Amino acid sequence: DAGVTQSPTHLIKTRGQQVTLRCSPKSGHDTVSWYQQALGQGPQFIFQYYEEEERQRGNFPDRFSGHQFPNYSSELNVNALLLGDSALYLCASSLRAGVQLFFGEGSRLTVL
Amino acid sequence: AQKITQTQPGMFVQEKEAVTLDCTYDTSDPSYGLFWYKQPSSGEMIFLIYQGSYDQQNATEGRYSLNFQKARKSANLVISASQLGDSAMYFCAMREGRYSGAGSYQLTFGKGTKLSVIP
Repeated sequence: DAGVTQSPTHLIKTRGQQVTLRCSPKSGHDTVSWYQQALGQGPQFIFQYYEEEERQRGNFPDRFSGHQFPNYSSELNVNALLLGDSALYLCASSLRAGVQLFFGEGSRLTVL
Repeated sequence: AQKITQTQPGMFVQEKEAVTLDCTYDTSDPSYGLFWYKQPSSGEMIFLIYQGSYDQQNATEGRYSLNFQKARKSANLVISASQLGDSAMYFCAMREGRYSGAGSYQLTFGKGTKLSVIP
């Protein structure tokens, strides 16, 4: 049973560029959440997708957007990258109304 | 105000000894849940234990137990018989409020405690 898988694992971008991160949820899970973890900090909630709609959103600007596909996989897009967007981006999946989140190993983004 | 506070940036424990990692939380919602996650250097957040605000007994999962003191708003993680593989970052997290009817919950995390187990 595959867990949550994320790609790419590492990437380097320059300021102003755009990036797309991908996530496949754990088998059977229909809800996907994205978190940003800056160095030395705990993860911060970006947004959550369920039934292909954004259901909840944290305190992140509109440069951060996402999508969920019919197979429940998800993408996180960040436009106009800033140096401060450098972080580990974690995807988590769960069942609808589920308490427990299952996390992937993350995508480490470096913005130069 | 911080919703989740972890006051220990780093902790050391001797192998086979027990260790307590502190967590205090702040919420006015009567319905909430508290989690502990382990994050090894690989980056993956590994679920350890969960305590709901209405649970009468402290949660236990193998070598992990959660010392839940509701009046003091604390949810400390106790790891018994520490092993070298326990060396990692540990995060306390909270979900608040009742289920919205779509999707699931969002979590608020603390800044973490780095645990180092000494042979």
